[in-house]
This record gives sequence, C-alpha cells and structure tokens, in this order.
Amino acid sequence: LAKTTQPISMDSYEGQEVNITCSHNNIATNDYITWYQQFPSQGPRFIIQGYKTKVTNEVASLFIPADRKSSTLSLPRVSLSDTAVYYCLVGDRGYSTLTFGKGTMLLVSP
Amino acid sequence: GAGVSQSPSNKVTEKGKDVELRCDPISGHTALYWYRQRLGQGLEFLIYFQGNSAPDKSGLPSDRFSAERTGESVSTLTIQRTQQEDSAVYLCASSSDRASSSYNEQFFGPGTRLTVL
Repeated sequence: LAKTTQPISMDSYEGQEVNITCSHNNIATNDYITWYQQFPSQGPRFIIQGYKTKVTNEVASLFIPADRKSSTLSLPRVSLSDTAVYYCLVGDRGYSTLTFGKGTMLLVSP
Repeated sequence: GAGVSQSPSNKVTEKGKDVELRCDPISGHTALYWYRQRLGQGLEFLIYFQGNSAPDKSGLPSDRFSAERTGESVSTLTIQRTQQEDSAVYLCASSSDRASSSYNEQFFGPGTRLTVL
C-alpha cells in the first residue's frame, strides 16, 4: 500500500471549515483514497472514498487533484463532536487489509 | 442492524497467561480482520479472513498469536503466554465481499482493551 503523510494534529473552532491534507506521492493507478474517523474508545468509522476530482457525501468532501499525489478531506462547519483522529489510507479498492498511520488528531474548541 | 461486537470489552491478565478474544462480525460479511492499537498509535494489521480461503497471517507479531474463524461467523484471537507488550486495544472489523461492494468499507467493533500486568 502507498505510504501516506498527514499532519499529526490540527486545532479548529466550532462552525469553521476544516481541511486535512494527506500526501501520497507513490499512489498507484489502481489505488483509491479512503478516510476513516476514530473517536476515543471506539473503532474507526468510514467517512469517504474517492479516486479523482471531488467526492461529496452528507459528512464530508474529498478533493483529489489531477496528479492524485495528495488529497484533502474537508469538514464543513465542524462541531465539538468532530473532535477525533482522522486517518488517510491509500490502496486498491479491493485491498484486503488497511494500513493506518497515526492519523491527524483534530481538536475542535468552542 | 447489529454491528460488529467484541467480547470481553476489557481484559486484565497476568503475564504468562493465555487470553482469548472474541469477535462477532456483521451477518453476511465474508471478510473479517483483526487489528491491534497501542496507546496513541495507529492500527496495526494482524490477520485477515476471507470466506473459505486460507487466512492472511502476515501481520501476526509472533507465534504466540493465533486466530480462528468458524465459517463466515465468529472469530477468536488467542494470545498465548501474554507479555506486557501485548497490552493494547484489539479491534475486529468485517466487510462484505469485495467483488460486490462499491468500495471496501470495513465496519469496526468497539474493541477489547487488554492489559497485561
């Protein structure tokens, strides 16, 4: 699986938009980009997945430039409950296992 | 519907004892995964089961670790002669057959927190 690099931590305030960028310079042609969210004392939860351009769901948007060497998870108008660790993963859609790095710890303050 | 469940939620054991952790995947999910998460760290892949295929054991850290799965249902992770370094949260996840899924979303259980004294 392609190696990913993302910031260790980020701080934000309620109501702001948060953008977390992940670098994956050696992404392969068949690789998809997936983001998971993990709250304390819980298992990770799937947020969004994309291959190129932009993907949007009810929770977040994922922006992927043409060269696909990075991606940005965008969380609109964050709330305190969005405080969590966010993991960026890259791999073939059918990949059997997931390699999680340390993720980005997002802290949302009032 | 019911999600992935794991038991026990917490387990405290003494060094050298064996422990068995249980995972009940989502009904109908053919794939099952075990991960380990040490405090403040990301998830570490341990083992993967897919249908009736031989499991991918490439992530097991030592021969003290083993896992079994009964068909496409319950799985148990066994750690023999536990060491203090085995203290971690052990997470189980399941997913539906990759051929029919639009993407390989894994559904995680709440984990078992293992403490080895």
